[in-house]
Amino acid sequence: EVQLLESGGSFAPPGGSLRLSCAASGLNLNIFALSWVRQAPGKGLEWVSVISGSGVDTYYADSVKGRFTISRDNLKNTMYLQMNSLRVEDTAVYYCAKEYHSNYAGFGAWGQGTVVTVSS
Amino acid sequence: QSVLTQAPSASGTPGQRVTISCSGSNFNIGRNSVFWYQQIPETAPKLLIYRNDRRPSGVPDRFSGSKSGTSASLAISGLRSEDEADYYCAAWDDSLRGVVFGGGTKLTVL
Repeated sequence: EVQLLESGGSFAPPGGSLRLSCAASGLNLNIFALSWVRQAPGKGLEWVSVISGSGVDTYYADSVKGRFTISRDNLKNTMYLQMNSLRVEDTAVYYCAKEYHSNYAGFGAWGQGTVVTVSS
Repeated sequence: QSVLTQAPSASGTPGQRVTISCSGSNFNIGRNSVFWYQQIPETAPKLLIYRNDRRPSGVPDRFSGSKSGTSASLAISGLRSEDEADYYCAAWDDSLRGVVFGGGTKLTVL
């Protein structure tokens, strides 16, 4: 059974940067797309970004386009989210999720989440 | 404002059948598969329905999904107290080139 473990969540000032990681175990993930999904305090789920299994294709939500960069290292079975120019509204729990049945909107496995707080 | 529209709340009594709806457009639900997620507060979401109406292994058959045109529905029959949670629909949007979620429906079991 695949397990996903996020790390890297922390406090950051507006305009600052953070790098999140998502380490996978239990399965070779290099054929699966991986996504970041976030949830602001008291709010619903918001998709952030997805990267294909090969890493060639990436897509971003408009709210993070140009500020966040998704990447992956298949040799390390790890995905990353480089977050620059952070805003207060980026404060959220960030989940990584593995695709389900070859569909980017299908998230069959989730990590436990890592908390990002952007505040001055 | 979410791209997919869900009612913010729903409720039912134990044993009852409840339906949660999700409305979208031709760019998302109209041409792509719908997924449903259950989230118990303070925990990660869980996949309930994939490709509109299919259940992953381990999901009880009390949960069912359907899609018609640009709308989709999640039905829960034989409602139980442990079904009290937030429910989200999601789909790929061809115009936005990204995944869109509904705003979520909070289900209360009375």
